[in-house]
Amino acid sequence: GESVGLHLPTLSVQEGDNSIINCAYSNSASDYFIWYKQESGKGPQFIIDIRSNMDKRQGQRVTVLLNKTVKHLSLQIAATQPGDSAVYFCAESRYNAGNMLTFGGGTRLMVKP
Amino acid sequence: DAGVIQSPRHEVTEMGQEVTLRCKPISGHNSLFWYRQTMMRGLELLIYFNNNVPIDDSGMPEDRFSAKMPNASFSTLKIQPSEPRDSAVYFCASTSTLGQGTEKLFFGSGTQLSVL
Repeated sequence: GESVGLHLPTLSVQEGDNSIINCAYSNSASDYFIWYKQESGKGPQFIIDIRSNMDKRQGQRVTVLLNKTVKHLSLQIAATQPGDSAVYFCAESRYNAGNMLTFGGGTRLMVKP
Repeated sequence: DAGVIQSPRHEVTEMGQEVTLRCKPISGHNSLFWYRQTMMRGLELLIYFNNNVPIDDSGMPEDRFSAKMPNASFSTLKIQPSEPRDSAVYFCASTSTLGQGTEKLFFGSGTQLSVL
């Protein structure tokens, strides 16, 4: 079946460096993508989303890039901080699938001081 | 904004017992979701309600699982009888659907269920 997946299960970066977390999706009909951050013992927390009519969206210290040609999504975190250490999930949905998000397996980001 | 509220935070029970998980969505949200998270399977959608009506329950593992949403501010997920393989973190999430496609979900803190 079609699914959303991640390339790297664990990413370790130095504090202050930029982080890039990647995600591949297989359903070309997906039109909505979202990144969540999950800290230990907590529920997933919304970071940023993007619709398929865009290829880039920026938030505070975060940028999401969407490449529909290769069905690739990435989350860039600028000046990574210890508080960014968490598991990051990408998820996708299709308008005609209601609001049912399909989540990827997650990438653990570890920030070294 | 109190966010999505789930209870209990932790539940430890013995195999065969009934377990009821509770969720209060964000006020004004009309869609509610139950997810299960395990290390092996990640986040799995169990069931989705829209305006208190179950829309898709294809993710419910088996008949031992049932979910209800008697009103816009409360939902339950019940497992009867519980089994050790049901041990997981169960999340409730809500959102407001305005007929414009997918909107972001807001998750609760989850219920950590351990079935011994």
